Amino acid sequence: IAGITQAPTSQILAAGRRMTLRCTQDMRHNAMYWYRQDLGLGLRLIHYSNTAGTTGKGEVPDGYSVSRANTDDFPLTLASAVPSQTSVYFCASSDSGVGELFFGEGSRLTVL
Amino acid sequence: GQNIDQPTEMTATEGAIVQINCTYQTSGFNGLFWYQQHAGEAPTFLSYNVLDGLEEKGRFSSFLSRSKGYSYLLLKELQMKDSASYLCAVRDSNYQLIWGAGTKLIIKP
Repeated sequence: IAGITQAPTSQILAAGRRMTLRCTQDMRHNAMYWYRQDLGLGLRLIHYSNTAGTTGKGEVPDGYSVSRANTDDFPLTLASAVPSQTSVYFCASSDSGVGELFFGEGSRLTVL
Repeated sequence: GQNIDQPTEMTATEGAIVQINCTYQTSGFNGLFWYQQHAGEAPTFLSYNVLDGLEEKGRFSSFLSRSKGYSYLLLKELQMKDSASYLCAVRDSNYQLIWGAGTKLIIKP
């Protein structure tokens, strides 16, 4: 059972480049989330999706976009990366949107 | 604004008991979660409280007082593998999770 798979696990990126972080889950969960985690700060929600075909903005959505074409996939795109987007990104899912979250292993992104 | 407060770092001895506190001020309350996160890994679910009182799960227990905006995670019989960060999160009236910055727990032999 894979759970949630994120790719890449680590990436160094030049500022101004476009980057897509991939997230796939095999638990058939309706709700999916993208968080960033920075030292000394709590997890901050970037975007979320309560069900396939719908997305919403979280606490820090600027510079990021998402899509939810089907239940399993929830990619996060940085259209033009900036150094402040250097962070660890976690994708998560939950069955109903009110239960516990299951997290992927994270994608460590460095923007130079 | 919404806020979750927890100590930045705690140190405890192997075999002992430690209590990690979490206080919150949020727009509404729809449950409180505790997660464990080992360095370089993903957070994993530990416990969930929505009603006042103590929830026990093996060596770990979690307590909630909604009137005080307060929770704690109690870890008994500490083991070296319990060295990790412990994250407190509250689900607000919009069912969004508000996260604390986490408490790094260091276990010494």
